[in-house]
Amino acid sequence: GAVVSQHPSWVICKSGTSVKIECRSLDFQATTMFWYRQFPKQSLMLMATSNEGSKATYEQGVEKDKFLINHASLTLSTLTVTSAHPEDSSFYICSARDSRVGYTFGSGTRLTVV
Amino acid sequence: RKEVEQDPGPFNVPEGATVAFNCTYSNSASQSFFWYRQDCRKEPKLLMSVYSSGNEDGRFTAQLNRASQYISLLIRDSKLSDSATYLCVVDRSGNTPLVFGKGTRLSVIA
Repeated sequence: GAVVSQHPSWVICKSGTSVKIECRSLDFQATTMFWYRQFPKQSLMLMATSNEGSKATYEQGVEKDKFLINHASLTLSTLTVTSAHPEDSSFYICSARDSRVGYTFGSGTRLTVV
Repeated sequence: RKEVEQDPGPFNVPEGATVAFNCTYSNSASQSFFWYRQDCRKEPKLLMSVYSSGNEDGRFTAQLNRASQYISLLIRDSKLSDSATYLCVVDRSGNTPLVFGKGTRLSVIA
């Protein structure tokens, strides 16, 4: 139980375009989801906390207008990278906490901006 | 100072070796502690939780010292399949996000 489905697994896009990443909790309700980013050989860094029905909370240094988060239901949170640039190429991963099993992660999205 | 700091890697060890990873955390209010394993280009997967009394799961032993704010992971009889990055992870409390260390890369060599 407590599965988070994330897609796409990987995406290649042109510079200047936008990319949407979805995370769904399949068998539990996630009022809160966490979005992380991981650059090569670096740790997972928290980008933002997504709250169902309210605005996301962004970490310092993360541009909220560039990384749009929507958490419109208890089972779906989306991250949209707007006007993507090569420096946004990274591994993006979501996480949610289920009361039964603790934290669970999506399988991650590898974004490459060319 | 980073909230969670780990041994710099990489660790390259032969099969059968015993290897130990160390980690320190700075927030004394942290409540839960974990070791996660991350394979290349994959999501982190929980390896084990860490308790003050120490806990063992097969070849893996984890230990927490709250006074020193120190966490350790010991892997005995290393297998090739143990090759991965090991992440020290701290949970401050409640529904807050996990805080990850940078990870330590382990390569087990035949």
